[in-house]
Parts: sequence; C-alpha cells; structure tokens
Amino acid sequence: EPEVTQTPSHQVTQMGQEVILRCVPISNHLYFYWYRQILGQKVEFLVSFYNNEISEKSEIFDDQFSVERPDGSNFTLKIRSTKLEDSAMYFCARALGRSGANVLTFGAGSRLTVL
Amino acid sequence: DQQVKQNSPSLSVQEGRISILNCDYTNSMFDYFLWYKKYPAEGPTFLISISSIKDKNEDGRFTVFLNKSAKHLSLHIVPSQPGDSAVYFCASRDGNTGKLIFGQGTTLQVKP
Repeated sequence: EPEVTQTPSHQVTQMGQEVILRCVPISNHLYFYWYRQILGQKVEFLVSFYNNEISEKSEIFDDQFSVERPDGSNFTLKIRSTKLEDSAMYFCARALGRSGANVLTFGAGSRLTVL
Repeated sequence: DQQVKQNSPSLSVQEGRISILNCDYTNSMFDYFLWYKKYPAEGPTFLISISSIKDKNEDGRFTVFLNKSAKHLSLHIVPSQPGDSAVYFCASRDGNTGKLIFGQGTTLQVKP
C-alpha cells in the first residue's frame, strides 16, 4: 500500500522561529491528521482535516498551529513561533474514510528539535 | 484524561512463546480498536483491528480479543519472534471523527 511521505525528516530550529512540516498523502484520500509524540510519551492527536477544513482539534493545537492543503496535494502543519516544548516527532496520517474498517496510515514522521 | 491505558510499559518474552499485551479503555463510544507497532524513528504501522461488535479477530500470528463488559482488549502474538520487538500502541477510534486515541505503549522485547 502506498505510504505517506513526510518532509523534512529532521529539522532543527531556534525558539521563536516558524516551522512548516509537509505531508504528501495519496490524492484520493479525504481524511488527514497530524499527531505528535514527545520523546518517551504517547502519540497525541493534534488535528483532523477533511474537505479542506479542520474537523477537530485538540487542546494542544492552539493559535500557534495551523494546517492547510494549499495545492490539493501537500498537507502542511505550520508552527508560527516555536517553543522548546514543541520538540517532538510529528506524524501525518491519512485515511480513505473515518468509519468501518478504514484505518489510519502514518508517515515516518518529522523530528522537530527546538533549541 | 487517559481514555486508553496500557499499564505495562514493557514486556519481555522468549522466542516461540506467547506475548500478551493489554489495554483498557473508558469510553463506550469507540467503534474500533486498533493495534499499531512502532520501531524507533518510524511512524506507527497498523497491525490489526477489531470492531466493537466483535470479540475476536485473528490474522496469522496475531489475535486481538475484546471484552466490552470489562472495557479491555488484548493482543496475543504466538509464536513470538525477535522481529516482533517494538513498541506496541493500543488505539481506540472515535466513531464520529475517526480520531485515534492512543495508549502509552508497551515495549515488547522478544529474546532469541
């Protein structure tokens, strides 16, 4: 099954800088998600995206975060002003549907290190 | 708000024996339960799932059992192989949004 491609694989940034993480899912998939995993902790839901708009977001997903799918292909997560605690692995996921036997397929992740 | 709990952070078994990973949940509205396997520096990989209307699903060496009255599910791997060594995450799916809620993970080590 085709995979989800994420770029960059690793990004190091200074606190306060903007970061954009990219995800290239399969075009016929409608449901997209961002999750993150802080080192040693569980995988946490950030946001879900359907039909070019946010369908649900968690408490973590505050005003510093935004998502978009500008060209109908790439799905991006932007962090406007990074904080030290944003350091984590960020995973993009996609699904054909959100019910029945549809499952989320995850990308390999983008490691963000904020200094 | 721990809706999905994996109380065992680690498990070590001998190759060829059975591995049993456990998971508890609190929300009765989850419609599907899934197990994902994760290696370091990789994303979670789907392993097996079970619908909330079933009590067992089997796929090769992997079987997931669901006890709805106890709000408990388990993953059985038999026979265990060294290549099964990874972190296993239990996840419950919100039937309305498709969102997955993960447990903390259990690190499985299968010794040769």
